[in-house]
Amino acid sequence: AQSVTQLGSHVSVSEGALVLLRCNYSSSVPPYLFWYVQYPNQGLQLLLKYTTGATLVKGINGFEAEFKKSETSFHLTKPSAHMSDAAEYFCAVSGGYQKVTFGTGTKLQVIP
Amino acid sequence: GAVVSQHPSWVICKSGTSVKIECRSLDFQATTMFWYRQFPKQSLMLMATSNEGSKATYEQGVEKDKFLINHASLTLSTLTVTSAHPEDSSFYICSAPLTGNTEAFFGQGTRLTVV
Repeated sequence: AQSVTQLGSHVSVSEGALVLLRCNYSSSVPPYLFWYVQYPNQGLQLLLKYTTGATLVKGINGFEAEFKKSETSFHLTKPSAHMSDAAEYFCAVSGGYQKVTFGTGTKLQVIP
Repeated sequence: GAVVSQHPSWVICKSGTSVKIECRSLDFQATTMFWYRQFPKQSLMLMATSNEGSKATYEQGVEKDKFLINHASLTLSTLTVTSAHPEDSSFYICSAPLTGNTEAFFGQGTRLTVV
């Protein structure tokens, strides 16, 4: 069984400020972890993923996430927010069989 | 990267009619595809697992007679919403895993509105 908890359904940051979106997971097997972004009325785009190896994962658009097994966390960060980052972000976990369990999503607002 | 195409991207239908949504893996074969549903302001929930050549596996609470899934070939799965009602209005999205890849690739989704 697996589950994902995203803390904060809405996050607001100023343009240029640090973006931090929190994600905690539970999984009965070694997890594969993902962050997806969804722009309004569009599908899902993969930002980054962790499978094995290096725990700090870099993705597209300047985002990165760190897998912390001891904390069962996979928080998403970006040093400097851009207006184009405004979207909804989903953390997800898979047990390796590609059936994905999603978190409830965090809507990121970037204030100019 | 692998491409999954979903059609149509949006559809409006009358209550009581049926709607078919197609999910195609364009450049790879997929023996398994997944169908998700996203209600407004909610997360994506897995509805069913589509298996090529066999019956789909539905998640608890999903009516298999209402959401008919057919996976007749290695590149195509279809979801038919039968006798649609306004409460079926949602965003439906499919994904297909690529063998040997840790990631499932998502279609662009279908926004269904039942009026």
